[in-house]
Amino acid sequence: NAGVMQNPRHLVRRRGQEARLRCSPMKGHSHVYWYRQLPEEGLKFMVYLQKENIIDESGMPKERFSAEFPKEGPSILRIQQVVRGDSAAYFCASSPRAGAFNQPQHFGDGTRLSIL
Amino acid sequence: SQQGEEDPQALSIQEGENATMNCSYKTSINNLQWYRQNSGRGLVHLILIRSNEREKHSGRLRVTLDTSKKSSSLLITASRAADTASYFCATAGGGNAGNMLTFGGGTRLMVKP
Repeated sequence: NAGVMQNPRHLVRRRGQEARLRCSPMKGHSHVYWYRQLPEEGLKFMVYLQKENIIDESGMPKERFSAEFPKEGPSILRIQQVVRGDSAAYFCASSPRAGAFNQPQHFGDGTRLSIL
Repeated sequence: SQQGEEDPQALSIQEGENATMNCSYKTSINNLQWYRQNSGRGLVHLILIRSNEREKHSGRLRVTLDTSKKSSSLLITASRAADTASYFCATAGGGNAGNMLTFGGGTRLMVKP
């Protein structure tokens, strides 16, 4: 299955710890997007990355959150010093390089982050 | 409020009936997309309709887009129990914002066998 792979599927952290969420895009896709979903709500855009570049981080909280998409390896969403309000499902999506406009995004099954 | 707003928020129908979900948005768009989400899973892309298109079909799905009213509808015909899921519309805007999707709050559809 060459779909978007996210891990871990579930992550439990205590307040103050760090959370690292990983996303491997579909083969051949070089655009990665991270979204956050609270229960019973739609997804909220966080950040858009291409290889080694952050293109749009307008949805990222200014503190504690960071994202990267290195030349080699998966994209990482990092949350430092987690708080209870960070509990949510975090989804990664990818799209191909060519014709990024008017292309659907392909989603992973998400990481459900729970903060104790 | 959000760019995309769906209504109804919840819909319960019998198998075989049609389900119609509506979506409104506020700003100009490149395209509008509909996604389905089963409980505990990621989103599955259903249909993408471009801003210069008015209607699109895919199997039992029919999507319309009215850019003058900034609204779209998703029709599922002859519904099945397996169609039970949450359905989200998402808009992709113009210019540099074209790649990010702005989602509505979703319609939770239940199809009773």
